[in-house]
Amino acid sequence: DGGITQSPKYLFRKEGQNVTLSCEQNLNHDAMYWYRQDPGQGLRLIYYSQIVNDFQKGDIAEGYSVSREKKESFPLTVTSAQKNPTAFYLCASSGGPLISSTDTQYFGPGTRLTVL
Amino acid sequence: QQQVKQSPQSLIVQKGGISIINCAYENTAFDYFPWYQQFPGKGPALLIAIRPDVSEKKEGRFTISFNKSAKQFSLHIMDSQPGDSATYFCAASSGANNLFFGTGTRLTVIP
Repeated sequence: DGGITQSPKYLFRKEGQNVTLSCEQNLNHDAMYWYRQDPGQGLRLIYYSQIVNDFQKGDIAEGYSVSREKKESFPLTVTSAQKNPTAFYLCASSGGPLISSTDTQYFGPGTRLTVL
Repeated sequence: QQQVKQSPQSLIVQKGGISIINCAYENTAFDYFPWYQQFPGKGPALLIAIRPDVSEKKEGRFTISFNKSAKQFSLHIMDSQPGDSATYFCAASSGANNLFFGTGTRLTVIP
């Protein structure tokens, strides 16, 4: 059963705690992405990685960190420095570094993080 | 600054009607325009996409119309069904490794 898995589906954390969101794909995709979704703001790019051991900041990287030690895994850590971490987090992957009709992005089911 | 502007924010359509969602962009380097469909609590799924070398693309009840000179593109859902009720996002890419998304349209199809 191929695809992108994110865990957990729901996550609750106390303010000031770091939390790591999991993203795994078995599509053999080179590129992986993390987006944040807030009501009325669409999807905003946090970080992306085109290849193992390499990643770049997106539009809203402050307060987040990532690693890409394996091709199939791209975990996102929401640190205590993130001022408003409560949101729906989406992981995506694509077959190549370029977005096109053949290498479009496929999304996981998302993780809803609530910071209390 | 929003790279892709989407309207309306919400849309209510009767079953069997036509749903129309519009998007506009400024960056003439964009050359790939996908639409995503998202159901509550789920990740977005690719619905249909177009490149600027064609003015229209149709897949079943879903059609993208593209106006390169106006830098606008739209999604038309013909014979809208209650099962089409979802949030729709337009997006654009310049062939780089980033998609710029619109803010989304929540579509409700009334039986």
